[in-house]
Amino acid sequence: QSALTQPRSVSGSPGQSVTISCSGTSSDIGAYKYVSWYQQRPGKAPKIMIYAVSQRASGVPDRFSGSKSGNTASLTISGLQADDEADYYCCSYAGNSILWVFGGGTRLTVL
Amino acid sequence: EVQLLESGGGLVQPGGSLRLSCTASGFIFSSFAMTWVRQAPGKGLEWVSSISGSSVATYSADSVKGRFTISRDNSKNTLYLEMNSLRAEDTAVYYCARDSDSLITPRLYRDHWGPGIQVTVSS
Repeated sequence: QSALTQPRSVSGSPGQSVTISCSGTSSDIGAYKYVSWYQQRPGKAPKIMIYAVSQRASGVPDRFSGSKSGNTASLTISGLQADDEADYYCCSYAGNSILWVFGGGTRLTVL
Repeated sequence: EVQLLESGGGLVQPGGSLRLSCTASGFIFSSFAMTWVRQAPGKGLEWVSSISGSSVATYSADSVKGRFTISRDNSKNTLYLEMNSLRAEDTAVYYCARDSDSLITPRLYRDHWGPGIQVTVSS
């Protein structure tokens, strides 16, 4: 089972919106409604942002939203703030021998 | 407040063994499944192994199956990862994470993470 595919980097200016895509297959993202997104700042542990495709974790601003279409999931961050600068990882349940598969991560830069 | 703290990492030679521990506090430990996730230097996250709240169910990635064993002691609020036959490619920061439910189901996600512990496999 290969890792999910994310763009290596995205960027945006404060106040703008950015979308991070996460491409999988019919065996993971396409088969289940269980995609989660994690934010990781340098040298820190990951933090849950979105679960079950579109549910915001406790304390996460509503500027963060998640969606899924077919084999691709997306994380959209609106009203970009400097504090949003971090790496973002998607994760999907995949069943079989590898229960959960992560994306390679996307570095978000706020210009 | 949920707190997770890993220990037991360090430098080990290829073929060697190491046991990681994760001490939990701030929640009813036995009510939650637990997971180990690792991150190789400069790389992304990789799911390693999960265990249900009662230890009835355990699952591991193919990359570590037969070499790593996940277990827990609910009386001590502690999660373990026994790592044997270590390889250079096992070098990573290992994170202990609490899962969102006691059973291992597709809807599970990691809702709290420890700070991580470094494991380096090198001669």
